[in-house]
Amino acid sequence: DGGITQSPKYLFRKEGQNVTLSCEQNLNHDAMYWYRQDPGQGLRLIYYSQIVNDFQKGDIAEGYSVSREKKESFPLTVTSAQKNPTAFYLCASSIGESALGNQPQHFGDGTRLSIL
Amino acid sequence: GQQLNQSPQSMFIQEGEDVSMNCTSSSIFNTWLWYKQEPGEGPVLLIALYKAGELTSNGRLTAQFGITRKDSFLNISASIPSDVGIYFCAGNAGGTSYGKLTFGQGTILTVHP
Repeated sequence: DGGITQSPKYLFRKEGQNVTLSCEQNLNHDAMYWYRQDPGQGLRLIYYSQIVNDFQKGDIAEGYSVSREKKESFPLTVTSAQKNPTAFYLCASSIGESALGNQPQHFGDGTRLSIL
Repeated sequence: GQQLNQSPQSMFIQEGEDVSMNCTSSSIFNTWLWYKQEPGEGPVLLIALYKAGELTSNGRLTAQFGITRKDSFLNISASIPSDVGIYFCAGNAGGTSYGKLTFGQGTILTVHP
């Protein structure tokens, strides 16, 4: 089945440790995105990538890093510089822009990150 | 930056009632999207709107792209218990904001049987 796979579902980080969240899509989408969701809040954009080997900072990029070496993969690293990393992290992808305008983003099922 | 105000923040309704929620923006959007999120899962796209004035239905759900391009609403008719979840609006302004969505805060819907 086509879709977006995020792993792991739950992740625990120790103080001072970097952790990497995986996001893989087999939808052949060009664009991929990472969001952070905190309780009672909407989604905030961390990083996004329109094409392979290119990515841009979103609204809350500090303390995070990404890479886009393959079209289907967009891993997110939560670094030790992110002082409040506990949140629900969502990855999304979209075809990109088309004659209809920006195409909708489709989401994975998220990774919940907690601090030990 | 762009802001989306989504209301109401929460709704408690009886099964069978109709539901209405809306989003307003401080700036113009050229795409409006409505998503539903259930606990522990990612948001699922319900309806996408691309033109001012557009009215689109998906089963019991109907959404409209406001004429001013600064608002959108979502209606759910004859609610059922499985409608429970958080509903988010999202908008894209196009141009240099290519691909970037701004999300509302969400409306938490509770349906009592």
